[in-house]
Amino acid sequence: QKEVEQDPGPLSVPEGAIVSLNCTYSNSAFQYFMWYRQYSRKGPELLMYTYSSGNKEDGRFTAQVDKSSKYISLFIRDSQPSDSATYLCAFNDYKLSFGAGTTVTVRA
Amino acid sequence: NAGVTQTPKFRVLKTGQSMTLLCAQDMNHEYMYWYRQDPGMGLRLIHYSVGEGTTAKGEVPDGYNVSRLKKQNFLLGLESAAPSQTSVYFCASSYASGGATDTQYFGPGTRLTVL
Repeated sequence: QKEVEQDPGPLSVPEGAIVSLNCTYSNSAFQYFMWYRQYSRKGPELLMYTYSSGNKEDGRFTAQVDKSSKYISLFIRDSQPSDSATYLCAFNDYKLSFGAGTTVTVRA
Repeated sequence: NAGVTQTPKFRVLKTGQSMTLLCAQDMNHEYMYWYRQDPGMGLRLIHYSVGEGTTAKGEVPDGYNVSRLKKQNFLLGLESAAPSQTSVYFCASSYASGGATDTQYFGPGTRLTVL
């Protein structure tokens, strides 16, 4: 079993839709939960992080963590064409472990 | 600040050739990392360094060597390139490691093709 499993996608949604991205993990030692965004032919950049179960909002983005189920989600509200990118979940103990990424396209 | 830079941006090698990828950061970060990114596999850690003069193996170290002679530079070497090493290579750096606030900053990547 992989340490991190991410819904593979790809996802294509119309502008204004809600985007839902999900990851599961198996390592109970993971303490921090992150989402990175990677635009085409660029390096990843940190989008959001959290370290506790529950929700964390940042503008149109909401990160959700359920430690009991070992499940994290990222929601994008009112999606925009500029949100078109690959989103990678990441988990931190002594190093970062990444999901494979989900490519999202928001159609204008 | 340039952040994290990588040289070269693209490279094509023949099987058996050697090359060195250079990563430089101007943020005075202690930790530096080399990843490879392949379709469907995500980012996998090759080697990392926790400070000048130190290196450690990551998840997929075979076929690669690294050196951290200066704090700002982290070199990744391929001694005898193989087609399986065709990938996009990313360098990253962070102030420390182990916490969410220790954000890793990534370079723009090097696209390597081994024929």
